Amino acid sequence: KQEVTQIPAALSVPEGENLVLNCSFTDSAIYNLQWFRQDPGKGLTSLLLIQSSQREQTSGRLNASLDKSSGRSTLYIADSQPGDSATYLCAVARGGGALNFGKGTSLLVTP
Amino acid sequence: EAGVVQSPRYKIIEKKQPVAFWCNPISGHNTLYWYRQNLGQGPELLIRYENEEAVDDSQLPKDRFSAERLKGVDSTLKIQPAELGDSAVYLCASSPEGTGVTTEAFFGQGTRLTVV
Repeated sequence: KQEVTQIPAALSVPEGENLVLNCSFTDSAIYNLQWFRQDPGKGLTSLLLIQSSQREQTSGRLNASLDKSSGRSTLYIADSQPGDSATYLCAVARGGGALNFGKGTSLLVTP
Repeated sequence: EAGVVQSPRYKIIEKKQPVAFWCNPISGHNTLYWYRQNLGQGPELLIRYENEEAVDDSQLPKDRFSAERLKGVDSTLKIQPAELGDSAVYLCASSPEGTGVTTEAFFGQGTRLTVV
């Protein structure tokens, strides 16, 4: 069974810092990996999708990398802002697109 | 373009009562998923549809949960009877492609169920 682990569980940083969120998975036979953002009481917003053949994806201040052989992904957030405060979820896709999620990293960016 | 629409947003019911959640996926998306998210956890898959066919329902507690996707568009998830442990957020998601091809999944706002 695919296990997805996210470290750290919670993170508090001052505004302007660059930060890294980590995700690891136990089965490297994945189709893709997605990073999501979840605000309190809200659904999930897709941030980045990395196909299994890709190494990284970038969107604005976000950069996600994927090392399938070692079962790791990182989400890099540059110049963090208070509006980035949310829970970040990593999910790996198996056949058919169903996702296995980690428990998330709760991020607080203070002004 | 409208995203995935779910209703209701919130539902409070007494245990042993029935409850139903509705989902309208993004237009043209063949694949629809229902996930359950417990507090402090990531979402877990309950059922996956490709068009009107349930192709993965191995995690659906079939004694009390049922789902349907008539005509391969809207979907309804039902719980009867509800138990206290069913309190969670129920998320619907859709994606354009089906088996063998995986693309980005788009999620709705979810329905927060509280069973008292």
